[in-house]
Amino acid sequence: GQQVMQIPQYQHVQEGEDFTTYCNSSTTLSNIQWYKQRPGGHPVFLIQLVKSGEVKKQKRLTFQFGEAKKNSSLHITATQTTDVGTYFCAGSGSARQLTFGSGTQLTVLP
Amino acid sequence: DARVTQTPRHKVTEMGQEVTMRCQPILGHNTVFWYRQTMMQGLELLAYFRNRAPLDDSGMPKDRFSAEMPDATLATLKIQPSEPRDSAVYFCASGIQAGDSPLHFGNGTRLTVT
Repeated sequence: GQQVMQIPQYQHVQEGEDFTTYCNSSTTLSNIQWYKQRPGGHPVFLIQLVKSGEVKKQKRLTFQFGEAKKNSSLHITATQTTDVGTYFCAGSGSARQLTFGSGTQLTVLP
Repeated sequence: DARVTQTPRHKVTEMGQEVTMRCQPILGHNTVFWYRQTMMQGLELLAYFRNRAPLDDSGMPKDRFSAEMPDATLATLKIQPSEPRDSAVYFCASGIQAGDSPLHFGNGTRLTVT
């Protein structure tokens, strides 16, 4: 079945440093979604990428979808303490079923 | 602001007891998912419904877990009998079209089985 791997599992950064998490699928995806889960909270949808090579930005967050539609990344520029949480990618394949990556837990040190 | 409602928020029970978790999806959403989250396993898909019909429950231990949608406004997840290894946060999520639109998650039910 479809598998979605996400790295790193944990990342500690100093406030102001950049952060990147990577997502790789074993199969070609129809789209990829990104979610953020604050500590003690629930996953909240951030964005969806559909097109090959697509790049989208949300303020300091930049999302990319690979040309082969099998990988994606989320980059945060100049992290802030409000960025703390776990970031999940979720890929949708031919079966139209979302498969979540294992998440990257981001800690931002003030 | 429409949201997915889950009850209870917290549940502590003894091993062997039945546990029922409820979810009210967002009105108009036709897909409902149950996920289990633990530190070790991340977000595991347990069950998936589209238009109230179960499409995938391969991630669910069949001997003790069951998931149903008696109507469009209610999804239930039952564990009978519960075991300590079932301790986790259980999330319900709903969406408009499976895989192609965002999922909206409820606040989750934190289950502790002693």
